[in-house]
Amino acid sequence: GAGVSQSPRYKVAKRGQDVALRCDPISGHVSLFWYQQALGQGPEFLTYFQNEAQLDKSGLPSDRFFAERPEGSVSTLKIQRTQQEDSAVYLCASSLVYRGRSEQFFGPGTRLTVL
Amino acid sequence: DQQVKQNSPSLSVQEGRISILNCDYTNSMFDYFLWYKKYPAEGPTFLISISSIKDKNEDGRFTVFLNKSAKHLSLHIVPSQPGDSAVYFCAASGGYQKVTFGTGTKLQVIP
Repeated sequence: GAGVSQSPRYKVAKRGQDVALRCDPISGHVSLFWYQQALGQGPEFLTYFQNEAQLDKSGLPSDRFFAERPEGSVSTLKIQRTQQEDSAVYLCASSLVYRGRSEQFFGPGTRLTVL
Repeated sequence: DQQVKQNSPSLSVQEGRISILNCDYTNSMFDYFLWYKKYPAEGPTFLISISSIKDKNEDGRFTVFLNKSAKHLSLHIVPSQPGDSAVYFCAASGGYQKVTFGTGTKLQVIP
């Protein structure tokens, strides 16, 4: 398909484990965003990439969270030493333009459950 | 500090009637506003947007109104259809493209 894809769709981790969440944006989309959505809440911004450059990581909740997009396409969000409060849906979105206003296309999300 | 607020967690409307979803914001730097629709187990889907230089934007059955002085926007759906049943997120942006979302309103359109 031509949309944003994320894998895995569901992930169960034991507290203390490391996890890696993958995002495949729409081909050619310059901007890529990661959001965290807790139950009953709206998506909350984590980090933003423009091509391979991470321009804003102000939303990452702790230094256990790390994101990369080394070749300006696929991105990985890594969470080290997972905690129960990390349980949430992690959404990835991409958009076409470098500046200005454009809609973000969201993937289906990865639901992370930390036991 | 919730900069984008959707005070109604849920709304029920009869099919064919108007649905009005409300949103308030506090950050005066926001200059672009969006509505997203979300079905269960899917990511949010863009619905409609409005720039702060306008007070109304219409797209088919969907109209967004912006009242900057009140820092308030609303989404009108006319006529409402059962397929419109979903969670609607209001979102706002200021600057490059960072988007702040509200907590969502679950709309149920009753046939």
